Amino acid sequence: GAVVSQHPSRVICKSGTSVKIECRSLDFQATTMFWYRQFPKQSLMLMATSNEGSKATYEQGVEKDKFLINHASLTLSTLTVTSAHPEDSSFYICSATLHPGQTKTSTDTQYFGPGTRLTVL
Amino acid sequence: GQNIDQPTEMTATEGAIVQINCTYQTSGFNGLFWYQQHAGEAPTFLSYNVLDGLEEKGRFSSFLSRSKGYSYLLLKELQMKDSASYLCAPMDSNYQLIWGAGTKLIIKP
Repeated sequence: GAVVSQHPSRVICKSGTSVKIECRSLDFQATTMFWYRQFPKQSLMLMATSNEGSKATYEQGVEKDKFLINHASLTLSTLTVTSAHPEDSSFYICSATLHPGQTKTSTDTQYFGPGTRLTVL
Repeated sequence: GQNIDQPTEMTATEGAIVQINCTYQTSGFNGLFWYQQHAGEAPTFLSYNVLDGLEEKGRFSSFLSRSKGYSYLLLKELQMKDSASYLCAPMDSNYQLIWGAGTKLIIKP
């Protein structure tokens, strides 16, 4: 249980284009979804936290107009990188936490999707 | 401030036991998670400790001492596939995970 998928797994785009990444919880309802970015050999950097039906909370330094997050349902969140530039090239990973009552361990355990590797040329 | 201290890299032999230590300082505490991350992949959940003591799960065990701000992950009967980074991630009072760079574990035959 607690499977999270991401699509696409890899994307290469031209500078100036927008890229949408989908994150889905496949076998559970996710209270909260998180979006991370990770550069090579560095730690995970939280970009934003989103709850279904409400606006995402962005971390300091993350431009909300550039990284658009839509959490339309308890199983789907999307991250759109608008007007992507080469410096946006990174590994983008989403995670989701279980809806309270669906776990015996911790409702705050984050289950990660497989990640999306974005390369902007 | 909030910070995590883990060794950057460790080397161990296949079949052996290795202990990865983690000390942390957070604003409040709501448990500590251990994740495994293979190169180029996303993290996978290993364990969660919120009370002091040892949690055993197969070949992996995790220990927590809240008063000391200390945790360790114990891996037994090491296999080559255990070569990965191990991330210690405490959760602060806002239920936010604090991430460090992790410990890169290299397993040698």
